[in-house]
Amino acid sequence: DTGVSQDPRHKITKRGQNVTFRCDPISEHNRLYWYRQTLGQGPEFLTYFQNEAQLEKSRLLSDRFSAERPKGSFSTLEIQRTEQGDSAMYLCASSLTQGLYNEQFFGPGTRLTVL
Amino acid sequence: DAKTTQPTSMDCAEGRAANLPCNHSTISGNEYVYWYRQIHSQGPQYIIHGLKNNETNEMASLIITEDRKSSTLILPHATLRDTAVYYCIVREGYGGATNKLIFGTGTLLAVQP
Repeated sequence: DTGVSQDPRHKITKRGQNVTFRCDPISEHNRLYWYRQTLGQGPEFLTYFQNEAQLEKSRLLSDRFSAERPKGSFSTLEIQRTEQGDSAMYLCASSLTQGLYNEQFFGPGTRLTVL
Repeated sequence: DAKTTQPTSMDCAEGRAANLPCNHSTISGNEYVYWYRQIHSQGPQYIIHGLKNNETNEMASLIITEDRKSSTLILPHATLRDTAVYYCIVREGYGGATNKLIFGTGTLLAVQP
């Protein structure tokens, strides 16, 4: 078990550019979550997948954001036409649905800076 | 999900017990209390959870009041590595819901040497 990994760890981009982040969950975890965290705040839920199906999206997830999990394993989060307000830490977490408590395991995050 | 209230920050001397309070007065009967922590520049880490009984694991103890309206996370012998933001979260333990975590701003625990 190597834990949840995210790539890249840091991304600096110019306003208007597109960026894509990748998350590799713990193997066999069927649920995958994306959160966003701005400075001084707790993480905020963006979206989640059960296997390859995207089952819920937060209203925070504007139409410039898209997430995929094509084979029910890794996931990508793309932000199109980035804005300075998109600067944040993007966190990925995974969990199993079996069992009662669904503990979520978080990755180290991707820190996005939009200039 | 019910909301929680936590102090913004706390200090604790190294080697002493750290007691982190959380109020969740609107918690419903099927909601659990979860604690996560986030060390600077890392993702949140699960610590412990409970429903109504006190719980203990290798990291911490969780004391839930009988009316379940508040709880306390106890780190028995705090070390410098325990300096982090601690989040108290209430949510349903299981179900068809997303089980998404709703974080507040948490308590910044600073362990002092």
